[in-house]
Amino acid sequence: QVQLVQSGAEVKKPGASVKVSCRASGYMFATNYIQWVRQAPGQGLEWMGIINPSGGRTNYAQKFQGRITVTSDTSRRTLYMELSSLTSEDTAVYYCARDREVRKVSGLDPWGQGTLVTVSS
Amino acid sequence: DIQLTQSPSFLSASVGDRVTITCRASQAIASYLAWYQQKPGKAPNLLIYAASTLQTGVPSRFSGSGSGTEFTLTISSLQPEDFAAYYCQQLYTYPYTFGQGTKLDIK
Repeated sequence: QVQLVQSGAEVKKPGASVKVSCRASGYMFATNYIQWVRQAPGQGLEWMGIINPSGGRTNYAQKFQGRITVTSDTSRRTLYMELSSLTSEDTAVYYCARDREVRKVSGLDPWGQGTLVTVSS
Repeated sequence: DIQLTQSPSFLSASVGDRVTITCRASQAIASYLAWYQQKPGKAPNLLIYAASTLQTGVPSRFSGSGSGTEFTLTISSLQPEDFAAYYCQQLYTYPYTFGQGTKLDIK
């Protein structure tokens, strides 16, 4: 079945960077866009960015411009989201999620299990 | 950015009730709207896409409607497993924003 498996929880100090991975299986890797979404403790969902794994084209939310890099490694069937200059406001669960349609956007299914990133001195 | 405003933010209801959640967009988004359900400690789960199409495997008591700027998610007869948070997301233009969420709990 289609599955996204993310890397494990991370604890980082303020100012550091974090790189979260998302390994895809069960479908043709390059055909579906992947979005990254985060959720701070007790808060709602926040859209961060999107990548087309075929070619690596990205679009990021303005809020994260300059701090976020999303990449794709087709040989490993893995996506990566790196966020730099971390502050306590970046403490959140980070999700990758695949769009349900090939080469279009219509809705995210499935989602990865989430990666908790804690930023603390 | 397109703002999505969900109402209500909190909703108490009983098993068997019919409930409706509204999502209003700050500008027209055609039918580029999805609805998700999220249970505590879990990733969101897609319920509806293209405003009104039921995702495979989702019970038929869930339905979506609307286009342009106003959308609704309806649960026709609440079941115990439906008590959760619900989010809308617009996929019309970047950034693909989410509503602030609606928490549905048991009365």
